[in-house]
Amino acid sequence: QSALTQPRSVSGSPGQSVTISCTGTSSDVGGYNYVSWYQQHPGKAPKLMIYDVGKRPSGVPDRFSGSKSGNTASLIISGLQAEDEADYYCCSYAGSYTVVFGGGTKLTVL
Amino acid sequence: QVQLVQSGAEVKKPGASVKVSCKASGSTVTTYYIHWVRQAPGQGLKWMGMINPSSISTTYAQNFQGRVTMTRDTSTSTVYMALTSLRSDDTAVYYCARSRSDYEGDAVDIWGQGTMVTVSS
Repeated sequence: QSALTQPRSVSGSPGQSVTISCTGTSSDVGGYNYVSWYQQHPGKAPKLMIYDVGKRPSGVPDRFSGSKSGNTASLIISGLQAEDEADYYCCSYAGSYTVVFGGGTKLTVL
Repeated sequence: QVQLVQSGAEVKKPGASVKVSCKASGSTVTTYYIHWVRQAPGQGLKWMGMINPSSISTTYAQNFQGRVTMTRDTSTSTVYMALTSLRSDDTAVYYCARSRSDYEGDAVDIWGQGTMVTVSS
């Protein structure tokens, strides 16, 4: 159960778009459409932003979107806002009732 | 409005055990899966395991097998996570989180507030 691979950091200016990648294997990301993304601000619990690869929970702005190609999933944030600055984690079902997280990506809004 | 309320911070000595509780309000704890995730200081999220409260079946991450036990008490809508043989690198915030549905692969959408466990001599 190796962690999914994410870039340690990404950055963008307000109004721009950023993409955070999440690379796994055919046993997790590539094998299931159960990739989710979580946003975490310092000292807070994570918040679900995307589930089932590209679905948004109620209340999450449509600036957040997700996709997947092969063993790599992506979180796209368009129209960056200051409050988007946070850590982002991808997560995938890995079969046999197991789950794996990515290492996390720190998003800086310049 | 479903909420998960966790027990308070703990300080333990190396070799000791800890048991963290996660009480569901606004919903029965037998609904859907409860996952446990920990986060060491300055580090990322690490999945520890899940419990299906309705069947009491559990799955633990390889790294924690043999040291972690997840249980539930339906009468109080509470799920517990016990970790034994504590080491300094078990110092972390421990979160419980509820799945969106009764499918084991589904994402979690409700998180507890977290419980800080400090292991120090």
